[in-house]
Amino acid sequence: RKEVEQDPGPFNVPEGATVAFNCTYSNSASQSFFWYRQDCRKEPKLLMSVYSSGNEDGRFTAQLNRASQYISLLIRDSKLSDSATYLCVVNGGGSYIPTFGRGTSLIVHP
Amino acid sequence: NAGVTQTPKFQVLKTGQSMTLQCAQDMNHEYMSWYRQDPGMGLRLIHYSVGAGITDQGEVPNGYNVSRSTTEDFPLRLLSAAPSQTSVYFCASSYSNLGRDGYTFGSGTRLTVV
Repeated sequence: RKEVEQDPGPFNVPEGATVAFNCTYSNSASQSFFWYRQDCRKEPKLLMSVYSSGNEDGRFTAQLNRASQYISLLIRDSKLSDSATYLCVVNGGGSYIPTFGRGTSLIVHP
Repeated sequence: NAGVTQTPKFQVLKTGQSMTLQCAQDMNHEYMSWYRQDPGMGLRLIHYSVGAGITDQGEVPNGYNVSRSTTEDFPLRLLSAAPSQTSVYFCASSYSNLGRDGYTFGSGTRLTVV
């Protein structure tokens, strides 16, 4: 089983739709969780950290479910500019090395 | 504040040549790392460092060397380039290895080995 798993997609949604991605992780001792966004041929950029209580940044909401070992990202009112690959990152739990998921591709169409 | 600077942005090498990819950060980050990204493979860790003078291997270290003589710089050396090393290389840094404030990536080096 991979340490961090994501559905590669693509998720193809119309503008204005709500879309959600999940990311499961295997190390129950993991401590830090993030969502990154990567545009085609660009570097990954931090979208948001994921806190135990859940957190929101505008149209984006991140949740952590420790019992089921997954994190989620909800995007409301999707924009064309949201089209990108979304990577989840998990760290901690005795390892110095962050683990990146392979990413979920989102395509928002008019 | 420049963040993480990688050079060069593009490079073509012949099989067997050696080269160094440069990575510098000006955020006083202790943790630095090198990744390669290939289609369908995601980001794979090559080497990482938790501070000056300390380096360790990641998931795919073969064919690469690193050193960390200063906090700011973390160069990646390809010893004898092979076509299998054709990839996009990213350097990333964070305040600590747990990356509580996230990881900052450089803009990448696109390497082609012919």
